[in-house]
Amino acid sequence: NAGVTQTPKFRILKIGQSMTLQCTQDMNHNYMYWYRQDPGMGLKLIYYSVGAGITDKGEVPNGYNVSRSTTEDFPLRLELAAPSQTSVYFCASGSSSYNEQFFGPGTRLTVL
Amino acid sequence: TQLLEQSPQFLSIQEGENLTVYCNSSSVFSSLQWYRQEPGEGPVLLVTVVTGGEVKKLKRLTFQFGDARKDSSLHITAAQPGDTGLYLCAGVTSGTYKYIFGTGTRLKVLA
Repeated sequence: NAGVTQTPKFRILKIGQSMTLQCTQDMNHNYMYWYRQDPGMGLKLIYYSVGAGITDKGEVPNGYNVSRSTTEDFPLRLELAAPSQTSVYFCASGSSSYNEQFFGPGTRLTVL
Repeated sequence: TQLLEQSPQFLSIQEGENLTVYCNSSSVFSSLQWYRQEPGEGPVLLVTVVTGGEVKKLKRLTFQFGDARKDSSLHITAAQPGDTGLYLCAGVTSGTYKYIFGTGTRLKVLA
C-alpha cells in the first residue's frame, strides 16, 4: 500500500495562476481532508469529504475548491493564486472521524 | 471559531529532562489526538483519547484527557534527542467530522 500520495512535491506559481494539487489514497477510506500549514504553525482545515460526492468547507476555504468523484481521489484547486496561499499543503485520509488520520508527504507551494 | 491552544510554543531541554505540553480549549471534544511531525513530513499519530480523565502511556510518553474533555496534556519522561519534533493536538467535537488542530509545540532535545 502506498498510503496517501500527493503531487507535486514543490511548485512555484505566479500571482493569478491556477493549479490543482492531487491527492490519492489506496486505503479505501471514506474521510479525506485538505490542510494548510504555515511556517512553524499548526494545521488549518481547508476542505473535507466524508465520502464520494460529498464535500464541505473547513476553517479556511476561501480561494480553494475541491471535488470528490471517487473514493480514492480528492484534488484541491487554486483558481487565482495569491501570495497568502504560500504554504505547505497536506492531504489526509481516515476510516472515520474518530480514527487516525494518515497524512501525505505534503506539497510546498510558493506564490510570487 | 474553535481554538486549541498549546503551551509552551517552544521548548528546548537537555537529554534526560522531563517535560509537559498542554492543549487547552473552551470547547468539549468527543476525542482528542496527539501527533508528532518531523521536518518535511506529515504528522504521525501518537495516541487517541476519548474518555474524560483517561490516561494512556506509550513508553516514556503519558497522555491525559481532562475530566471535562476540554484539555489534554502530554508528559515525556527522560526526553531523548529522538523526541525532537513538532507536537500537535487535534480535537473532534460531537456531531462534526472535522479536526481542529492546536497551535503546536516545537520541542528540541539536546544531547
